[in-house]
Amino acid sequence: EAQVTQNPRYLITVTGKKLTVTCSQNMNHEYMSWYRQDPGLGLRQIYYSMNVEVTDKGDVPEGYKVSRKEKRNFPLILESPSPNQTSLYFCASSLFLGTYEQYFGPGTRLTVT
Amino acid sequence: GENVEQHPSTLSVQEGDSAVIKCTYSDSASNYFPWYKQELGKGPQLIIDIRSNVGEKKDQRIAVTLNKTAKHFSLHITETQPEDSAVYFCAAAISSGSARQLTFGSGTQLTVLP
Repeated sequence: EAQVTQNPRYLITVTGKKLTVTCSQNMNHEYMSWYRQDPGLGLRQIYYSMNVEVTDKGDVPEGYKVSRKEKRNFPLILESPSPNQTSLYFCASSLFLGTYEQYFGPGTRLTVT
Repeated sequence: GENVEQHPSTLSVQEGDSAVIKCTYSDSASNYFPWYKQELGKGPQLIIDIRSNVGEKKDQRIAVTLNKTAKHFSLHITETQPEDSAVYFCAAAISSGSARQLTFGSGTQLTVLP
């Protein structure tokens, strides 16, 4: 089954404790992206990757890191999480950059206390 | 950069009635407008999209209209059913091969009352 998977689905952590949210897709998509969803703000892009070893900032990259060492994986790293990073996070992929249908993962609910 | 405004933020309709969600965009270069549906506990899923070379597109009970002059586009759902209850997001993008990505609206919570 074609899908985007994220782990963990739920995470509660404390301020400053490094964490990684994994994302994997099995559709051989070149383009992958991370979004955060907050009430009243919709989906805002954090980082995106056009292919292996090619990443760039989205609209809200502060406090986040990403890497794309393999085509299928695109982990999101919070080196020193803060309470304002409490949010619902989505990973997405699409065949090529930009305007093709984006396939979203099921989401990761992160709470930073 | 692009700015997408979406209204209303919440919408309740009786089963069988129509629902309309409206979005405006700011960048006249945007030429791709998808709509995503997010069911509870799931990620958004594309339900319909339209490119700027057409004014309307339909898929069964769902239709999207685009007014490039006014820079607004709308989602129309007819004969609503309880399973249409979800959060709907509009988005805009430029399909020119640039690195600019989708800009999403703030979402509309649609509730279809039985």
